[in-house]
Amino acid sequence: KQEVTQIPAALSVPEGENLVLNCSFTDSAIYNLQWFRQDPGKGLTSLLLIQSSQREQTSGRLNASLDKSSGRSTLYIAASQPGDSATYLCAVSPAGGSQGNLIFGKGTKLSVKP
Amino acid sequence: DAGVIQSPRHEVTEMGQEVTLRCKPISGHDYLFWYRQTMMRGLELLIYFNNNVPIDDSGMPEDRFSAKMPNASFSTLKIQPSEPRDSAVYFCASSPPSGAGQYFGPGTRLTVT
Repeated sequence: KQEVTQIPAALSVPEGENLVLNCSFTDSAIYNLQWFRQDPGKGLTSLLLIQSSQREQTSGRLNASLDKSSGRSTLYIAASQPGDSATYLCAVSPAGGSQGNLIFGKGTKLSVKP
Repeated sequence: DAGVIQSPRHEVTEMGQEVTLRCKPISGHDYLFWYRQTMMRGLELLIYFNNNVPIDDSGMPEDRFSAKMPNASFSTLKIQPSEPRDSAVYFCASSPPSGAGQYFGPGTRLTVT
């Protein structure tokens, strides 16, 4: 059974720091991996989607990498800002099932202090 | 595009009452998903549809929960009778074909007293 783990559960950094959020999954047979952001009391916003054949995706100050063989993904945030404060969720779409089916980690709660 | 639309945004009801949550997916998306989020268990998939047909309902906690998708632009999640342990945020998401990612609605916060 696919399981997704995110470490750390919470992270606090000063503004301007570069940081890395980690995601690991137990079964390397995946269609894709997606990173989401969730603000308190709000829904999820998709940040980056990495297909199983890709190694990384970039959007602005965000870069996500995927190492399928080791079951790991990282989300790199450059020059963090207070507005980046949110919970970041990683989710994988297992191969063998529907491509849309997602299994989520419990998230990393990020706090960027001014 | 307005994105995924959910209603109501908040629902407070008494134990034993019927609750109906509604979702309008993004036009052109052929997958629709219902999730539940709690502090203890995180985000859990309840059920998903492809082209209006339920594909996997193994996440539906019990028979008190039911979901329908009568057409491509509307889905409901019904709880009857509701219980306090059903209190959670319920999200609807939709996805286009070929695994291009999921798009979430703002969620419905359900409180059962």
